[in-house]
Amino acid sequence: GQSLEQPSEVTAVEGAIVQINCTYQTSGFYGLSWYQQHDGGAPTFLSYNALDGLEETGRFSSFLSRSDSYGYLLLQELQMKDSASYFCAVNRDDKIIFGKGTRLHILP
Amino acid sequence: NAGVTQTPKFRVLKTGQSMTLLCAQDMNHEYMYWYRQDPGMGLRLIHYSVGEGTTAKGEVPDGYNVSRLKKQNFLLGLESAAPSQTSVYFCASSYGRDEQYFGPGTRLTVT
Repeated sequence: GQSLEQPSEVTAVEGAIVQINCTYQTSGFYGLSWYQQHDGGAPTFLSYNALDGLEETGRFSSFLSRSDSYGYLLLQELQMKDSASYFCAVNRDDKIIFGKGTRLHILP
Repeated sequence: NAGVTQTPKFRVLKTGQSMTLLCAQDMNHEYMYWYRQDPGMGLRLIHYSVGEGTTAKGEVPDGYNVSRLKKQNFLLGLESAAPSQTSVYFCASSYGRDEQYFGPGTRLTVT
């Protein structure tokens, strides 16, 4: 089987940095993805880590360590529009399995 | 370029009724997926397809059937709707195994 664990909620202050962790129990997967979903909207792709290490895309960075079965999404210079749910997902075989999501609350 | 579209956006069914949800993509993607999303449960994969004429079961396939007769379309059918199938349904497509593009979703209520 496979499962992903991420915190259900995280709170941070506007302008700060926040890290959302994801641990997984699966093997033989191609990579770790992150998606953002605003209330009432559809998930949108943020990043994909096929290899260990850090991937940076603007204010967002994502990290993967296969040896530790661990990854994280780092959001810098938080803005109110970053208030959303964030999902990690493993790409295994021909499908993607999602975690239950982390709700990010941003305080002004 | 419309991306991924879903029809209908909203639907209310009575228990036992049937319906088909349509997903269409204009990006020439090989892979297509159907998910359901329930509060606190994240996205759960129902069925998926790796190309025209192929389908496979995901995590929660019971009570659903799918067809991929054309590359651009992926249909999800509910033969006999149950209240447990009340959910938001998302379709997604991808070129490969990385980035998925999602449709806007279909909100289904079964009474």
